[in-house]
Amino acid sequence: AQSVTQLGSHVSVSEGALVLLRCNYSSSVPPYLFWYVQYPNQGLQLLLKYTTGATLVKGINGFEAEFKKSETSFHLTKPSAHMSDAAEYFCAVSDGPGNQGGKLIFGQGTELSVKP
Amino acid sequence: EAGVTQFPSHSVIEKGQTVTLRCDPISGHDNLYWYRRVMGKEIKFLLHFVKESKQDESGMPNNRFLAERTGGTYSTLKVQPAELEDSGVYFCASSQVFRNEQFFGPGTRLTVL
Repeated sequence: AQSVTQLGSHVSVSEGALVLLRCNYSSSVPPYLFWYVQYPNQGLQLLLKYTTGATLVKGINGFEAEFKKSETSFHLTKPSAHMSDAAEYFCAVSDGPGNQGGKLIFGQGTELSVKP
Repeated sequence: EAGVTQFPSHSVIEKGQTVTLRCDPISGHDNLYWYRRVMGKEIKFLLHFVKESKQDESGMPNNRFLAERTGGTYSTLKVQPAELEDSGVYFCASSQVFRNEQFFGPGTRLTVL
């Protein structure tokens, strides 16, 4: 079975400060890991993903995440927060691509607020 | 290219009524997924279609929920009869075969009174 835990349902940072959103996962098979973002009144948008290969993955809007197998973590970071980053962020895990299943198991979500 | 679309965006119904949600995936995407987020909780998987076949329906809460994907194009999710605990946001997502990136629709917010 797979599961995801996001530490902190609400995170508040100042504009220009480091953004760090924490995600830990549990998986009995090599995981596929994702970060999605949901802006108000919109659907989920993929920020970045890890499947295989390089453990540091870069995504859109300056975000990146590092897969650390020994820590079962996939934390999301951005060096400098912008007001437009205010949204809800979801970490998710799956067991493979769509032909093998591919259903996403989500964490509880983290609401990011950015103060001016 | 059009994204995943869902209809309606909002639905308010009385307990005991029937509601049908529709999802139109991205053209050419054989994989179609339904998810639900009940207020205050995580987004949960409901089921997965590959073309018109149900690949995995392990997340369907009970037999009041019926999903179909006739012809392997759009999908419907019917709730009959609706209960208060069915309230939430229902998301649809699609992906290409052998690909792991799922594209999400904006969701349907269902309120059962």
